[in-house]
Amino acid sequence: GAGVSQSPSNKVTEKGKDVELRCDPISGHTALYWYRQSLGQGLEFLIYFQGNSAPDKSGLPSDRFSAERTGGSVSTLTIQRTQQEDSAVYLCASSLKGLNQPQHFGDGTRLSIL
Amino acid sequence: RKEVEQDPGPFNVPEGATVAFNCTYSNSASQSFFWYRQDCRKEPKLLMSVYSSGNEDGRFTAQLNRASQYISLLIRDSKLSDSATYLCVVKYRNFGNEKLTFGTGTRLTIIP
Repeated sequence: GAGVSQSPSNKVTEKGKDVELRCDPISGHTALYWYRQSLGQGLEFLIYFQGNSAPDKSGLPSDRFSAERTGGSVSTLTIQRTQQEDSAVYLCASSLKGLNQPQHFGDGTRLSIL
Repeated sequence: RKEVEQDPGPFNVPEGATVAFNCTYSNSASQSFFWYRQDCRKEPKLLMSVYSSGNEDGRFTAQLNRASQYISLLIRDSKLSDSATYLCVVKYRNFGNEKLTFGTGTRLTIIP
């Protein structure tokens, strides 16, 4: 079946521009997570959506970062006024609700800020 | 202290050998545990969940020790394709939200 789908796969943009990254979770998965991973580093949690509940935004590094999830399915992560330190791989994961449910990751979006 | 700690390695192990790594966690409310593997420049992929009684999947065995707050992964008869970074993941409930914490990973290289 279809896994988590992310687009674009790669994005190169100039410093100061806004970018939008998209995540299409596995059908039926109510939980959706965004992470970022810099080269050679671990996963950094950004934001978590669960159904219609208020999202957990505790990992967003600054107010330039925002995310929304429309209709409980597709999510977009927006980075405004991008900086070079925003360069990283942005990973989206989804899961069924429940503590014993593992996450399944998309291929990620590799973002490069020039 | 980090919530989830792993020895970063690298572990360089000859093909066919057995290798084990541990992961310690600090939050005693942690309830679910997983091992993921991540290949270079790829996304993490679920390797196995870790059950309280321990569980095995082919050459891989996972154990949980709640008293000492660690989980372990054992790989027997290691293959070249086992070379990857292994991530320990801990999941718990926090004010109604399901929180996951990833370790930074243990890098494993299997040597021919």
